[in-house]
Amino acid sequence: DIQLTQSPSFLSASIGDRVTITCRASQGISSFLAWYQQKPGKAPKLLIYDASTLQSGVPSRFSGSGSGTEFTLTISSLQPEDFGTYYCQQLNHYPLTFGGGTKVEI
Amino acid sequence: EVQLVESGGGLVQPGGSLRLSCAASGFSFSDHYMDWVRQAPGKGLEWVGRIRHKASSYTTEYAASVKGRFTISRDDSKNSLSLQMNSLKTEDTAVYYCARVVQNTPRVDYWGQGTLITVSS
Repeated sequence: DIQLTQSPSFLSASIGDRVTITCRASQGISSFLAWYQQKPGKAPKLLIYDASTLQSGVPSRFSGSGSGTEFTLTISSLQPEDFGTYYCQQLNHYPLTFGGGTKVEI
Repeated sequence: EVQLVESGGGLVQPGGSLRLSCAASGFSFSDHYMDWVRQAPGKGLEWVGRIRHKASSYTTEYAASVKGRFTISRDDSKNSLSLQMNSLKTEDTAVYYCARVVQNTPRVDYWGQGTLITVSS
């Protein structure tokens, strides 16, 4: 199975900060990576797919990059509503797997 | 509006069985692959499995942790997805989400609100 390692597992940042989350895959997954945001008690929300494509309706302050084994999610200017936990998911090989999550505290 | 509504959650003893359902509306259910994803209390997301559509012979994929115990099925005539869970273990305790796979891609775009399964004696 492909392991996804997210770092950091927790981060505390201020409004307006630039935030970067990393997701490393145990083997190459091309660009088959998605990023989700989850708030407490809610279902995850798709932010980015194909490593760098912004899902419709998602603010442009979110961006993704990377291919192969190393990927990043960047929030260019952190907003109060961006708190929550962020997960990466690889979609290249079954079984599909998620990273362990990064909790973002404002 | 795409809606996915899970049901069937509850308390079950270890070794027991439970069947979850997911009612889909607002889209052409039969055209989409569908996933189950779970989340243990206070933990991260875990992909459970996927069922493809009729054109792909309703084939399925499963996580190793549930393979042989869980079965995903669908009834396109009722716009319904199911997860039959047998030989349940305490570690299966989680919120279970159904999710829609975007056509011709492997990614998920819509999720249900989830249903809680507690496996405990």
